[in-house]
Amino acid sequence: ILNVEQSPQSLHVQEGDSTNFTCSFPSSNFYALHWYRWETAKSPEALFVMTLNGDEKKKGRISATLNTKEGYSYLYIKGSQPEDSATYLCASNYGGSQGNLIFGKGTKLSVKP
Amino acid sequence: SAVISQKPSRDICQRGTSLTIQCQVDSQVTMMFWYRQQPGQSLTLIATANQGSEATYESGFVIDKFPISRPNLTFSTLTVSNMSPEDSSIYLCSVLSGRADTQYFGPGTRLTVL
Repeated sequence: ILNVEQSPQSLHVQEGDSTNFTCSFPSSNFYALHWYRWETAKSPEALFVMTLNGDEKKKGRISATLNTKEGYSYLYIKGSQPEDSATYLCASNYGGSQGNLIFGKGTKLSVKP
Repeated sequence: SAVISQKPSRDICQRGTSLTIQCQVDSQVTMMFWYRQQPGQSLTLIATANQGSEATYESGFVIDKFPISRPNLTFSTLTVSNMSPEDSSIYLCSVLSGRADTQYFGPGTRLTVL
């Protein structure tokens, strides 16, 4: 059974703090790692998709890294803002399949003004 | 990116009844997916719906419980049949991006079964 783990489960930070979350996934037969941002009552928003070991992606104040050999990815948020409050999900594909995303349970971030 | 809408956005249903959830995409797509998230759990794939063929169900999900229709390339429905409180979840549909490297999701249907 493929299992994607995320930590921490929840995080409370002050506006301006930088923060990071971890996603751990099985490294065998790995195909791609995805990060999503999910606000309540909205669609999960695709942030990054990474496939190669050492990949680094950046979108504004948010960045992510990938280590496929040891099976982990980090998501960083620099200078957190209240609008960053959301649940951050990571998910993996395996075996070349684009369909079956295996999700972690997410990290719920709350940023206080 | 694709724009995806779902109806209803939320519902409260009685045990033993069925609910059909609709998913509409603003462009033609080959593959559509249905997921659910039970409280405190991960998003889990229920089935893949391709136009013109039977849906493919993941382990633990069966057609009698979650029948799916895919009448054209922009629309799909998922029915949750003979509901029980364990079916209380968020149900989401998704499609592959144009580059087929990620999935775009609808806003979800929040279902509560009493």
